[in-house]
Amino acid sequence: GAVVSQHPSRVICKSGTSVKIECRSLDFQATTMFWYRQFPKQSLMLMATSNEGSKATYEQGVEKDKFLINHASLTLSTLTVTSAHPEDSSFYICSAGLGAEQYFGPGTRLTVT
Amino acid sequence: GIQVEQSPPDLILQEGANSTLRCNFSDSVNNLQWFHQNPWGQLINLFYIPSGTKQNGRLSATTVATERYSLLYISSSQTTDSGVYFCAVSTNTGNQFYFGTGTSLTVIP
Repeated sequence: GAVVSQHPSRVICKSGTSVKIECRSLDFQATTMFWYRQFPKQSLMLMATSNEGSKATYEQGVEKDKFLINHASLTLSTLTVTSAHPEDSSFYICSAGLGAEQYFGPGTRLTVT
Repeated sequence: GIQVEQSPPDLILQEGANSTLRCNFSDSVNNLQWFHQNPWGQLINLFYIPSGTKQNGRLSATTVATERYSLLYISSSQTTDSGVYFCAVSTNTGNQFYFGTGTSLTVIP
């Protein structure tokens, strides 16, 4: 149990385009999901909290108009990177809570050319 | 915000050796988890341990919440233990997890 999936696992896009990343809790419901990004050789940085049926809460310094989050159901949250630029290239990871524990998806590696 | 520091940042072990990884945090927490990140980036849950001691095979963990630290013990290390180990904490104000700086472990045969 407690499986979280992400799609796609890897994406390459051109500068200026938008990319959508999906995060699904496969065998449980999650009213809250979280999005993180990880640069090479660094730790995970929390970007935002995705709340089912309401607006996401963004960490300080994260542009909410650039990183659009939608949590339309209890098993799906999406992160859209709008007008992507090379500096947005990173590893994006989502998580969902079951009880007190967090379970993480396998991550999406975004490369913007 | 809360600061989470891990030590050592890098560790190289001979196969079969034991090790202790440390996680210090700057504020009260209500949750703490240890993860192993494999070479493909997947985070593997090791322990949910806001306090006390737990053991799972060759791994064990101890959290002393009142002194704001947690320890992860790896015994009889194997090459498959290589990777980055993170602790992550959640404060009393929410369920967001804040990650430590990580320990990169390399086990050589």
